[in-house]
Amino acid sequence: EIVLTQSPATLSLSPGERATLSCRASQSVISYLAWYQQKPGQAPRLLIYDASKRATGIPARFSGSESGTDFTLTISSLEPEDFAVYYCQQRSNWPPEYTFGQGTKLEIK
Amino acid sequence: QVQLQESGPGLVKPSETLSLTCTVSGYSISSGYYWGWIRQPPGKGLEWIGSIYHSGGTYSNPSLKSRVTISIDTSKNQFSLKLSSVTAADTAVYYCARDTPNTVIRPADVWGKGTTVTVSS
Repeated sequence: EIVLTQSPATLSLSPGERATLSCRASQSVISYLAWYQQKPGQAPRLLIYDASKRATGIPARFSGSESGTDFTLTISSLEPEDFAVYYCQQRSNWPPEYTFGQGTKLEIK
Repeated sequence: QVQLQESGPGLVKPSETLSLTCTVSGYSISSGYYWGWIRQPPGKGLEWIGSIYHSGGTYSNPSLKSRVTISIDTSKNQFSLKLSSVTAADTAVYYCARDTPNTVIRPADVWGKGTTVTVSS
C-alpha cells in the first residue's frame, strides 16, 4: 500500500505570499497524483491531476510539480479564497484504487 | 452540467447496514466513467470506499472490502452503497463522485455535496 505524507500539517501565510505544499509517496505512483482543495462544509474540489495538469476552471496561480516520489503544489500568490485544507491523492494503475494524504491546512497568518 | 446528490438515513444503529444512494443528473451513468464513494470522519481526512462501472464491475478499498457492496441502476441513473456491520468508526460525511473514465486513469472530478451519517444507538 502506498502511503502519502503531506507537509507541513499547517501552513500560516498572508494573502499575496507564495505557498508551497509537499506530498511524499512511500513508493512510485507513476504520476497518478492529484491535489484537492477543501473548504469547511464543502466537498473537495479537484485542482491538479497527473501531478501537474490543472483541472478545468482552475486558476493559473495553482501549479503542480514532481521529483521522483516528491510532489509539490504551489500557489504563486495567495488569494483570500485559497485558505483551505489541501489533500494529495494517488491512485494505482489497475485496478485504480486510491489513497489520500492526511492534508495540509493553509491558514491566514 | 453533471450533478450528484447523496441520499439516505442520517442515523444508523451499530451492527446494522448503512445504505446510501447517489442520484446523477446532467450526465448518463452509462457513459464510460466509474462512479465512487468517499467518506470523511468528523475532523479527519478523506478515505476512498469503492467504485463501480455501469456494467457492474466494482473495486473497493481493501480495508473495507468485506463490508462494502456497491450497486448501480442505470435505468434510474443512480448508484448505491451498502456498508454492513457498522460501528461508531463509520460515522462520517459520505460523498459520491464521478470517478475515473474507463479509458484513462483520472481522479474523481465531480462530487456530491455529501451526506452525514451517524452511527449511534
